[in-house]
Amino acid sequence: EPEVTQTPSHQVTQMGQEVILRCVPISNHLYFYWYRQILGQKVEFLVSFYNNEISEKSEIFDDQFSVERPDGSNFTLKIRSTKLEDSAMYFCASSLRGGPTDTQYFGPGTRLTVL
Amino acid sequence: QQPVQSPQAVILREGEDAVINCSSSKALYSVHWYRQKHGEAPVFLMILLKGGEQKGHDKISASFNEKKQQSSLYLTASQLSYSGTYFCGTQGSGGYQKVTFGIGTKLQVIP
Repeated sequence: EPEVTQTPSHQVTQMGQEVILRCVPISNHLYFYWYRQILGQKVEFLVSFYNNEISEKSEIFDDQFSVERPDGSNFTLKIRSTKLEDSAMYFCASSLRGGPTDTQYFGPGTRLTVL
Repeated sequence: QQPVQSPQAVILREGEDAVINCSSSKALYSVHWYRQKHGEAPVFLMILLKGGEQKGHDKISASFNEKKQQSSLYLTASQLSYSGTYFCGTQGSGGYQKVTFGIGTKLQVIP
């Protein structure tokens, strides 16, 4: 069964450093998402992406964050200058069509630790 | 605005039933239910659309009352594998792509 994959599974970085989290969505899916989950808290929406553009973003997704689909398979989240409070589990998700009737399939997540 | 889930935590013995509720102050187009086990990604359970939909598979089912802006997840004859945190996610008719999650209901099934 096709699945969303993410790399790395765990990233440790120093405060102020840039990190790039990578995701390979399910191959025929058209909508891509990033969510984050701070330890012990709820899953929070960051951004959705369709047709090479951001279609929606939350207030968390400030200028320090960017997303890109550099080729036909990868979808990346970049954090330019990491802060301690960026430490969280980051989940990538994809869906076939987007919209409220479509399932979002989550990847296994990347645990980001900022020291 | 995030949906409100209740209860926040519940402990069941194997074979017992549970109901998890999710309510919103805003009009909803759909409700999504996910289960997340510790250290793992959320796993999709089901989507319910407006119109009083009910769905279920195996011993897990859910209902959506659009007028009351509420959804309930029913776990029947619980199994140890049901343990995890259950999140409801809602999509309004406005920002239709993002799913806004509740804080979750932690369910523990014990032998």
